[in-house]
Amino acid sequence: DIQLTQSPSSLSAFVGDRVTITCRASQRISNYLNWYQQKPGKAPTLLITGASSLQGGVPSRFSGSGSGTDFTLTISSLQPEDFAAYYCQQSYISWTFGQGTKVEVK
Amino acid sequence: EVQLVESGGGLVQPGGSLRISCAASGFTLNNYWMHWVRQAPGKGLVWFAHISNDGRTTYADFAKGRFTISRDTAQNTLYLQMNSLRGEDTAVYYCARGGHNYALDYWGQGTRVTVS
Repeated sequence: DIQLTQSPSSLSAFVGDRVTITCRASQRISNYLNWYQQKPGKAPTLLITGASSLQGGVPSRFSGSGSGTDFTLTISSLQPEDFAAYYCQQSYISWTFGQGTKVEVK
Repeated sequence: EVQLVESGGGLVQPGGSLRISCAASGFTLNNYWMHWVRQAPGKGLVWFAHISNDGRTTYADFAKGRFTISRDTAQNTLYLQMNSLRGEDTAVYYCARGGHNYALDYWGQGTRVTVS
């Protein structure tokens, strides 16, 4: 099974900060890495597919990069509506989620 | 507009069974891969079942033998049959549609299952 390890598990940041979340896969997964945002009490929403392709309607302050085993989600300037949990997911072999990163207000 | 609406969750005793549903609209269910994902209280997302457009199914190890994913094309509805339920199956259960790069592009609002 492919394991995904996200770091950090949580972070505190100010509005306007640049935020970076990393996701490491236990084996190479090409670019089959997706990112989701989940707000409390709500279903997840898809942000990025194929490691770096922004879903329609997702603000351009979100970006993704990486290939192989190491991936990054970056929020260039954190907005109030971005405080949420973020999950990476691999879709290379079956499907696995990372454990999540909670982004909180500092 | 693509919509997924889950129903059928509730309280069930340990060892019991439950079938939850996911009604799809805005697209034809059997043209897409469909998934079930769950989230225990305060925990992360866990993928556990998938059905492809040609009817092949895959399951996470913990779901094999106890959970069954199926669909009714006439009703455009996805199902999850859960048997031999345990306390650790307590979670919100989401259905989701498979999209580009095999990502899950649309999600339902979730249905809560409590085993107690």
